[in-house]
Amino acid sequence: GENVEQHPSTLSVQEGDSAVIKCTYSDSASNYFPWYKQELGKRPQLIIDIRSNVGEKKDQRIAVTLNKTAKHFSLHITETQPEDSAVYFCAASKVSGNQFYFGTGTSLTVIP
Amino acid sequence: EPEVTQTPSHQVTQMGQEVILRCVPISNHLYFYWYRQILGQKVEFLVSFYNNEISEKSEIFDDQFSVERPDGSNFTLKIRSTKLEDSAMYFCASRLRDINTGELFFGEGSRLTVL
Repeated sequence: GENVEQHPSTLSVQEGDSAVIKCTYSDSASNYFPWYKQELGKRPQLIIDIRSNVGEKKDQRIAVTLNKTAKHFSLHITETQPEDSAVYFCAASKVSGNQFYFGTGTSLTVIP
Repeated sequence: EPEVTQTPSHQVTQMGQEVILRCVPISNHLYFYWYRQILGQKVEFLVSFYNNEISEKSEIFDDQFSVERPDGSNFTLKIRSTKLEDSAMYFCASRLRDINTGELFFGEGSRLTVL
């Protein structure tokens, strides 16, 4: 089955700096890669996603890049703010199934 | 904005007891899921449900677990005889369309504590 790995497990940045979280996946058939943000005690919520026919997608301060050849994708947050502090999960899914495989999560702390 | 709702938010039970966790997915969604998150760990897939039957399940989802959609709106997860290691946050999720276009919407979770 699919194996999604995520790094780093924890990340601390100063407010205003950028944060990058990286994920790799194993199944070349995976073609949809969402990123979820989970604030403490809350539900995971989708913040951005990318499909395998696109190499990069941006939404204001958040961007995601995908390298299909290397089977890795990354989340980039620029101009970080304290409210960006949360756990971020990447996920991968494939056409033949309806299951999402999640990474182990990255706890991001933005220091004011 | 429509939301996935879950009850109870927190349940404490004794080992060996049966537990039922309830979920009301978003009304026009077609795919339903249960995920588990042990404290500080990743979100783990348990089971997916489509067209009134299980479509996929993980190795975690053994004979102690079952799911049901009894009345067309509720989606329940039953654990027949709870073990200590079942203590976790259980998330229900639903989505509307196929995996290439559908966002997965999570409920707020049900925290299960097994003593």
